[in-house]
Formats: sequence, C-alpha cells, structure tokens
Amino acid sequence: EPEVTQTPSHQVTQMGQEVILRCVPISNHLYFYWYRQILGQKVEFLVSFYNNEISEKSEIFDDQFSVERPDGSNFTLKIRSTKLEDSAMYFCASRVGYSNSPLHFGNGTRLTVT
Amino acid sequence: GESVGLHLPTLSVQEGDNSIINCAYSNSASDYFIWYKQESGKGPQFIIDIRSNMDKRQGQRVTVLLNKTVKHLSLQIAATQPGDSAVYFCAEISYNTDKLIFGTGTRLQVFP
Repeated sequence: EPEVTQTPSHQVTQMGQEVILRCVPISNHLYFYWYRQILGQKVEFLVSFYNNEISEKSEIFDDQFSVERPDGSNFTLKIRSTKLEDSAMYFCASRVGYSNSPLHFGNGTRLTVT
Repeated sequence: GESVGLHLPTLSVQEGDNSIINCAYSNSASDYFIWYKQESGKGPQFIIDIRSNMDKRQGQRVTVLLNKTVKHLSLQIAATQPGDSAVYFCAEISYNTDKLIFGTGTRLQVFP
C-alpha cells in the first residue's frame, strides 16, 4: 500500500539554525499538508498546499516557516531560524482530492532544538 | 526535562470486550469526519471516515456513529485486541476549508 514517507526521522539542531524537513507524498495525491505535535499533545494544523501554492495556514505558520514542492515528488517544510519551542514531531500528509477523502500521514520527523 | 503534555482521557478495556470512544466536535459546519489511530512514535493512521449525510458507517471491526444534533461522534471497536492499544483521535473538516482539525485524543489500553 502506498505511503507518505518522511526524512529524517530525527533531526537535532541548534537554536537559530535553519532546518528542512522532507516528505514524499503518495504519488497520485494532489493536496499536501504539514502538521505538528508537541510531545503528548494533540496534532495541530500548520499549512495546506495545492497547485503549487499555500491554500491555508495557521497562526503557528509565521514568517519563519515556508513550504515548497521543488519537483514532482518532494514536499518540504523549512524553518528559517529555529526556536526551542519548535521542538515537536512534524507530520506530512497528503490526500487525493479535496472533499471527502482522508489525509494519509507519514510517521513524522522528530525535531529537537537545543 | 520532558514537557508535561495534556492529560489524555484513558479507556481501559479487557481483551475481547467492545470499546467505545467518544468525541464532541464544535463546528456545526463540519461535514466530514475521520477517526485516526496513533501508536507510539508513529503518525496518525486512518481508521474510518464518515460524511455528514450519514449517521453510521461500518468497517472491519469498527463502526463510527455520527449524531449531528448534539455534535457527537463515536468509534466502536468490536472484540478489542492488544494491538488496538493506541491513542485515538477524531478529526473534522468543513466543506469550505482545507484544514483538518484534530480533537484531543483518547488513550485506549487493552489488558489481558
């Protein structure tokens, strides 16, 4: 069964550094998402992306965050200057269509900012 | 040290019993609902979904019930197994957004 894959599984970085989290969505999916989950808390929406542009974003997704689909298979989340509070699990998701189709999630990247 | 997360409601059931996990949602405009299972160290895994024009949907060992009048969703798991132990999240989305919103989650513990 096709799945969303994310790399790396764990990223450790120093405060102020830039990080790029990578995702390969399911190949025939058209809608892409990033979510995050702080340890022990619920899964929070960051951004949705369709047709090479952001369709919605949350208040968490400020100017320090950006997303890109650089080619036909990858979808990336960049954090320009990481803060301690960015430490979390980051999940990529994709879905085939807009309405009434479920999001399929990857297993996440654990980001630790020291 | 580790941060303290939200206290998750916990449901403890004996192996072989049926489990019912409940969820209240707040947005009356939500028209599509999904249940996810999250095991430790993994991403949310799709279990079952339901549209707002339905009130019940069945899958393999799972049933979702939707009561739009009181904005309540439930997940029933038949013959619960140890492998069902996980955190279960309901999630909702409305037709005019592309933003799936997760609930707080319920931890299901299955004991022999």
